[in-house]
Amino acid sequence: GENVEQHPSTLSVQEGDSAVIKCTYSDSASNYFPWYKQELGKRPQLIIDIRSNVGEKKDQRIAVTLNKTAKHFSLHITETQPEDSAVYFCAAYPANFGNEKLTFGTGTRLTIIP
Amino acid sequence: GAGVSQSPSNKVTEKGKDVELRCDPISGHTALYWYRQRLGQGLEFLIYFQGNSAPDKSGLPSDRFSAERTGESVSTLTIQRTQQEDSAVYLCASSSPLADSYEQYFGPGTRLTVT
Repeated sequence: GENVEQHPSTLSVQEGDSAVIKCTYSDSASNYFPWYKQELGKRPQLIIDIRSNVGEKKDQRIAVTLNKTAKHFSLHITETQPEDSAVYFCAAYPANFGNEKLTFGTGTRLTIIP
Repeated sequence: GAGVSQSPSNKVTEKGKDVELRCDPISGHTALYWYRQRLGQGLEFLIYFQGNSAPDKSGLPSDRFSAERTGESVSTLTIQRTQQEDSAVYLCASSSPLADSYEQYFGPGTRLTVT
């Protein structure tokens, strides 16, 4: 089955600086890679995703990059703000394989220092 | 439209008692996941239902845990003979992979406390 590793487990950055979270996956069949944000006491919510036919996707201050050869993908947050403080989870999913499930990484607790 | 709902929102039970947690997925979503999240920890996969296929039970931590799903609707997670280490938030999520929509929509969770 799929194994997703996520680093770092905790990350603190000064407000306004950039934050990068990295994930690796093991199953070459995975072709959909979402990122979820979980604020304190709330449920996880999708913030951005990428499919394997593209190498990068941006949405305002958030971007995700994918390297299929190396089997790793990263979340980049620029100009960080206090509201970016949360736990971020990456995930991988083999969308073309019937009943396979989506697999989450272990999470990164991001703290933005004012 | 309505999102994923879960009930109860909070459950306090005595050690050794059985509990049932309920999840109502978004209508039409064929995939349903249960996760356990201990305080300050990540999302621990428990079980996955996809349509009428046999569920993936590989994440269930012991035979005290079981889950059922009726067709493509409601799911219940049952924990028998609860232990203190079962205390956690239990999250349910649904998605619609057959419609090329893989986003998981999470419910608000059930906070289980075993005393």
